[in-house]
Amino acid sequence: GALVYQYPRRTICKSGTSMRMECQAVGFQATSVAWYRQSPQKTFELIALSTVNSAIKYEQNFTQEKFPISHPNLSFSSMTVLNAYLEDRGLYLCGARQRFSNERLFFGHGTKLSVL
Amino acid sequence: DAKTTQPDSMESTEGETVHLPCSHATISGNEYIYWYRQVPLQGPEYVTHGLQQNTTNSMAFLAIASDRKSSTLILPHVSLRDAAVYHCILRVEPGYQNFYFGKGTSLTVIP
Repeated sequence: GALVYQYPRRTICKSGTSMRMECQAVGFQATSVAWYRQSPQKTFELIALSTVNSAIKYEQNFTQEKFPISHPNLSFSSMTVLNAYLEDRGLYLCGARQRFSNERLFFGHGTKLSVL
Repeated sequence: DAKTTQPDSMESTEGETVHLPCSHATISGNEYIYWYRQVPLQGPEYVTHGLQQNTTNSMAFLAIASDRKSSTLILPHVSLRDAAVYHCILRVEPGYQNFYFGKGTSLTVIP
């Protein structure tokens, strides 16, 4: 079956430091990967959509300078939260879309980021 | 802008059939209705989706109104494992359109 792994599951970083998180698709080819942040209040925000061999499209209020994303192949993507502060806390979710299928996203368990 | 409206929370007893409503009065002709659910500390899980016809799978039955302005996700014989936040999302297809999640309906299942 199609699975998505994210690591680390939880991480803590000091205010002003950076944190890299990874997303691995297993059992399918992830043509595109959507990165989301779910706040402690459970609100979802779409950060960006990354499609292999295409430019990464960031949503309003999110920038490449703050959340650089790498998507080098059909099974792996990573995102870094640069200069993390309290407002960056939350559960970062990776949703991968199966190649040749636009229908659904497969999500990982997320990376929970805490900032001290 | 939230294109769907769902109740914040619902409660059911184990073994009952649950009807989760979703209103989407401004739905476009090429927008599909998707349902995802999320349990704490996990990512959303796909439940079902449909365009116009009712659909059924091992997880749920999706009833879509004839005018498509509302839909209902029906969960037969709910168990404690069905307790989750259920999200109703509209998405244009085909194409690489994004999924935009709202707050969803938090379903509590009582033993």
